[in-house]
Amino acid sequence: SQTIHQWPATLVQPVGSPLSLECTVEGTSNPNLYWYRQAAGRGLQLLFYSVGIGQISSEVPQNLSASRPQDRQFILSSKKLLLSDSGFYLCAWSEVSGVGEQYFGPGTRLTVT
Amino acid sequence: GEDVEQSLFLSVREGDSSVINCTYTDSSSTYLYWYKQEPGAGLQLLTYIFSNMDMKQDQRLTVLLNKKDKHLSLRIADTQTGDSAIYFCAEPDSWGKLQFGAGTQVVVTP
Repeated sequence: SQTIHQWPATLVQPVGSPLSLECTVEGTSNPNLYWYRQAAGRGLQLLFYSVGIGQISSEVPQNLSASRPQDRQFILSSKKLLLSDSGFYLCAWSEVSGVGEQYFGPGTRLTVT
Repeated sequence: GEDVEQSLFLSVREGDSSVINCTYTDSSSTYLYWYKQEPGAGLQLLTYIFSNMDMKQDQRLTVLLNKKDKHLSLRIADTQTGDSAIYFCAEPDSWGKLQFGAGTQVVVTP
């Protein structure tokens, strides 16, 4: 069966510090991968998605970047965090040939102070 | 832009039925999805319905689809305290990425 991991689970970082969040998927090959941010207002904002190694699409201009160094690894980064980067970050995957459903990781709660 | 719309809040008594409504935007969507998010957790896929269906039932969950009105609903029978969560409906966009509604927070009271 497939599983998706995210770490860390929680993170408190000062403004201006770097960020690296990691997401890995097990039990599947060549998944589509997604990073979302969920602010306190509850809605999900798609940040990045990837259809393959090294292929990243950005949905919104922002202070963040993403990379996919391996088939089942997706990393969200920032060189300098802003207060507005606080939120709940969710990674998700979907099968290329599936019915479009996405499966989510447990999330990382980021607080920028 | 395209917006999937949901009511933001629903309060229901334990044992009653809950009905969560959603309006989507693209009549050509092939599948429509319902997700559940418990506090502090990721989203869990509850169910999905193919666009050529009007209804899908899965244990306590019933999904109704009205394509003419682009209306999707999720009914939870015999609502339990464990059903307290935020429920999201979602539809794929033209690129296959999911567009989520803002979520409906369901609070189950004893």
